[in-house]
Amino acid sequence: DIQMTQSPSTLSASVGDRVTITCRASQSISTWLAWHQQKPGKDPKLLIYKASSLQIGVPSRFSGTGSGTEFTLTISSLQPDDFATYYCQQYDSSPWTFGQGTKVEI
Amino acid sequence: QVQLQESGPGLVKPSGTLSLTCAVSGASVSTDNWWNWVRQPPGKGLEWIGEIYHDGTTKYNPSLKYRVTMSVDKSKNQFSLNLNSVTAADTAVYYCARGGSGQNYGLPDYWGQGTLVIVSS
Repeated sequence: DIQMTQSPSTLSASVGDRVTITCRASQSISTWLAWHQQKPGKDPKLLIYKASSLQIGVPSRFSGTGSGTEFTLTISSLQPDDFATYYCQQYDSSPWTFGQGTKVEI
Repeated sequence: QVQLQESGPGLVKPSGTLSLTCAVSGASVSTDNWWNWVRQPPGKGLEWIGEIYHDGTTKYNPSLKYRVTMSVDKSKNQFSLNLNSVTAADTAVYYCARGGSGQNYGLPDYWGQGTLVIVSS
């Protein structure tokens, strides 16, 4: 299985901050990488796919970069609605696997 | 708008079978999509359980494959999960999700709201 490792596990930030989350894959996954946002008690929501493509309806302050084994999710100016847990997920090869999550808190 | 809704018992006894159904609206299970199950133990991350195509083709996570069975009911536009020989370690929120095909194979784009299943006597 491909292991996905996110850092940091928790991130403390303020409204307006630029936030970056890193995800590393245990082997190359090209750009078959997605980012999901999950708020407490809610289902995950797809934000970014193919490493850098924004899902329809997702604000442009979210962006993704990377290929191979290193990826980043950036929120350019953190908004109150963005406080949540973010998961990376590889879909290069089955079984699909997720990172352990990064909680963005105030 | 695509919507998925999980249903099933919220409490299962150890060694029993966990059975869940996911009702799909706003889309047909007969389209070119894979239908997934993902779970999340309390306070932990996401684990992919497996997926099913409308023709009945299934793929399971090797860590669970000897205990998992999935099925699809096109007449009711829903799909189901059975997990047998459950233990407390199977306590989790279970999500169903629509996955893509082709270049989006393995990419879940719509999720259900999730249902908590507790394994306890």
